[in-house]
Amino acid sequence: EIVLTQSPGTLCLSPGERATLSCRASQSVSSSYLAWYQQKPGQAPRLLIYGASSRATGIPDRFSGSGSGTDFTLTISRLEPEDFAVYYCQQYGSSLSWTFGQGTKVEIK
Amino acid sequence: EVQLEQSGAEVKKPGESLKISCKGSGYRFTSYWIAWVRQMPGKGLEWMGIIYPGDSDTRYSPSFQGQVTISADKSISTAYLQWSSLKASDTAMYYCARLGSRVYNYFDYWGQGTLVTVSS
Repeated sequence: EIVLTQSPGTLCLSPGERATLSCRASQSVSSSYLAWYQQKPGQAPRLLIYGASSRATGIPDRFSGSGSGTDFTLTISRLEPEDFAVYYCQQYGSSLSWTFGQGTKVEIK
Repeated sequence: EVQLEQSGAEVKKPGESLKISCKGSGYRFTSYWIAWVRQMPGKGLEWMGIIYPGDSDTRYSPSFQGQVTISADKSISTAYLQWSSLKASDTAMYYCARLGSRVYNYFDYWGQGTLVTVSS
């Protein structure tokens, strides 16, 4: 099973700053199969990025994804107040199985 | 509009059985896989398993195999997650989610979650 490790655990930033979140896989992951989600308190997760770099419908362009192999990054170019949340990466493995990273919390400094 | 509507919160005792539901609407229910995801209090997301309502093909995470049963009734566009004997450690929020693409394998729509509390 591929393990996804996200870092840092918590990111303390101010509105307007740039956020860089990392997701590292224990073995190589197809870029097609790497997604990112945002979860706010009391809400279900929301799809942000799929295929490592494609934004989901309605997602602002301040969110971008990149990476390949074992290292993937979610970047929020300028943090808006509504962006303070927990972010999860997710990968699809073989034979219909999925795993999530443990999450990175982006909180207001 | 695609929607996944989950059943309401449950409070159960250890050893009791439970079946929670997830009703899809706004799309062809039989054409998309539906997954279940657990989130324990203050913790991250864990994929539990997935079902294809069209033919009930079901797969489980090794961590949940034998612990839960996933099923679907395509006649009423509803997927289910059930336990035969709950434990306190089953206390969590459970989400259903639609697999939006078998090319990219991401979950595009999520239910609102069902909170299950197991306590004596």
